[in-house]
Amino acid sequence: EAQVTQNPRYLITVTGKKLTVTCSQNMNHEYMSWYRQDPGLGLRQIYYSMNVEVTDKGDVPEGYKVSRKEKRNFPLILESPSPNQTSLYFCASSSGQGGDYNEQFFGPGTRLTVL
Amino acid sequence: GDSVTQMEGPVTLSEEAFLTINCTYTATGYPSLFWYVQYPGEGLQLLLKATKADDKGSNKGFEATYRKETTSFHLEKGSVQVSDSAVYFCALIVSGGYQKVTFGTGTKLQVIP
Repeated sequence: EAQVTQNPRYLITVTGKKLTVTCSQNMNHEYMSWYRQDPGLGLRQIYYSMNVEVTDKGDVPEGYKVSRKEKRNFPLILESPSPNQTSLYFCASSSGQGGDYNEQFFGPGTRLTVL
Repeated sequence: GDSVTQMEGPVTLSEEAFLTINCTYTATGYPSLFWYVQYPGEGLQLLLKATKADDKGSNKGFEATYRKETTSFHLEKGSVQVSDSAVYFCALIVSGGYQKVTFGTGTKLQVIP
């Protein structure tokens, strides 16, 4: 089954404790992204990757890091989480070939609470 | 820059009512347009899309027409069901080196029996 998986689904942590949210896709997609969803703000892109070892900042990258060492994986790293990073996070992937291939496939989401 | 504006929610309708969710956009290039749906506790999934002017996307009884002259992509359904209760996001992609997706803020729909 074609899918994007994220782990963990729920996480409660404390300020300053480093954490990683994993994302993996099995569709051989080139493009992967991380978004955060906040009430009244919709989805905002954090980082994206066009291919292995190619990453770039989205609209709200501060406080986050990413890496793309393998095509299927795109982890999101919070080196020193703060309460304003409490949010619902989504990973997404697409083939990015244009036209009908622009569809984004989303993971189920990770709800993060930083105390 | 590119942007998508959706009508404020929540929208509350009775079952079998007609639904319209407005979406307008601004884009520097020639975008493809999408509607995504998010059911409670789930990620977003593509509902329908249109890639050029006057195209009509349709799926599960929902429709939206790409109107270049009014820069709009309004979502419609003739008869909503309780199972349609969800958050709906309008989005666009302008083709280029990287097809960045710009999302609207989402419109929550609640359908009551």
